[in-house]
Amino acid sequence: QKEVEQNSGPLSVPEGAIASLNCTYSDRGSQSFFWYRQYSGKSPELIMSIYSNGDKEDGRFTAQLNKASQYVSLLIRDSQPSDSATYLCAVMEYGNKLVFGAGTILRVKS
Amino acid sequence: EAGVVQSPRYKIIEKKQPVAFWCNPISGHNTLYWYRQNLGQGPELLIRYENEEAVDDSQLPKDRFSAERLKGVDSTLKIQPAELGDSAVYLCASSLAGLAAYEQYFGPGTRLTVT
Repeated sequence: QKEVEQNSGPLSVPEGAIASLNCTYSDRGSQSFFWYRQYSGKSPELIMSIYSNGDKEDGRFTAQLNKASQYVSLLIRDSQPSDSATYLCAVMEYGNKLVFGAGTILRVKS
Repeated sequence: EAGVVQSPRYKIIEKKQPVAFWCNPISGHNTLYWYRQNLGQGPELLIRYENEEAVDDSQLPKDRFSAERLKGVDSTLKIQPAELGDSAVYLCASSLAGLAAYEQYFGPGTRLTVT
């Protein structure tokens, strides 16, 4: 059983729309959660971190965390073609081990 | 601030040959990680160093993989002998110690092709 689950996509949204990316995890003890963006052929780039329940906003990005439901999401407002990438959800598990999901491919159409 | 540096960026070798990857972390980052990323998958941790000490190598295939981090700065990951299934991108990441240690920053990676 995968520890961090993401829909592989692709998720297609029109330019200017809100993209919603979701992630579930299995370790109830996890306390730290991250979203990485990975362009094709490039390495993962940290874009958001969230540690407590609720929302955290940074520019056009909002991370949402619900520990009771073991659910993390990333909202991208006013999506741009440059946001087209794979978005990796990562969860810090026991022993400070960062576990990644397989990623969701996002395509923003102009 | 310079990011994580890795070399080489690409490597093509025949199976059974040895290969080595090098990583220099962000200056001041005590924690260094080696990950392997297969196509269509997220990175998977191979080994984590806190300064010179390997604190988590549970996922490292020790029969053929080895790593070292002398002096607690740069690190080398070696595969000997390589197998076809080792073809992947090998990523190095680093972080500070303490709470900020949870934020890891990745290097550009080394794409390994084993033929």
